[in-house]
Amino acid sequence: DAKTTQPTSMDCAEGRAANLPCNHSTISGNEYVYWYRQIHSQGPQYIIHGLKNNETNEMASLIITEDRKSSTLILPHATLRDTAVYYCIVRVVGTSGSRLTFGEGTQLTVNP
Amino acid sequence: EAQVTQNPRYLITVTGKKLTVTCSQNMNHEYMSWYRQDPGLGLRQIYYSMNVEVTDKGDVPEGYKVSRKEKRNFPLILESPSPNQTSLYFCASSLFMEAAGYTFGSGTRLTVV
Repeated sequence: DAKTTQPTSMDCAEGRAANLPCNHSTISGNEYVYWYRQIHSQGPQYIIHGLKNNETNEMASLIITEDRKSSTLILPHATLRDTAVYYCIVRVVGTSGSRLTFGEGTQLTVNP
Repeated sequence: EAQVTQNPRYLITVTGKKLTVTCSQNMNHEYMSWYRQDPGLGLRQIYYSMNVEVTDKGDVPEGYKVSRKEKRNFPLILESPSPNQTSLYFCASSLFMEAAGYTFGSGTRLTVV
């Protein structure tokens, strides 16, 4: 699975959009981009994933660049409950033993 | 509610006393997996299972066993726990061969003294 690079930490004001970047310059054509978050030792929570096109769900939007070498997770109106570690992961779907390789992630702190 | 249920949430045990951490999912997922999380090391996969009676080692399988006799259950067994297995453990499940995200359990914090 391709390696990802994320900033160690970010801050965001409550009510503003949080934009979390991720670089995955070695991504392969069949690898998806996934985002998870972990709130203080709880189980990681799936947020969103995409292959080529931008994606949106009730939690967030995922913007993937045309060359697929980077992506941005957007939380449109961050709340205090969005304070968490956010992990960007790339992986091939459906391969045997397909696992999630978690890096260090980005600690997002939403401030009042 | 669709979920992955782990038990117990907290466990303190002594070295060498066999224990089992249970994991159950109600989503008919084929794929199940166990991870451990340690400070500075992140989440690492211990074992995974692609379906009933199909299991395989992950990155850190030493000292652990698993079984998959039923689709919904995937227990993690520590035959002879040691202090270096003190960790936070997570079970996860997903549809296999699908791009769906993984669903994680709430975690089991194990302390071996």
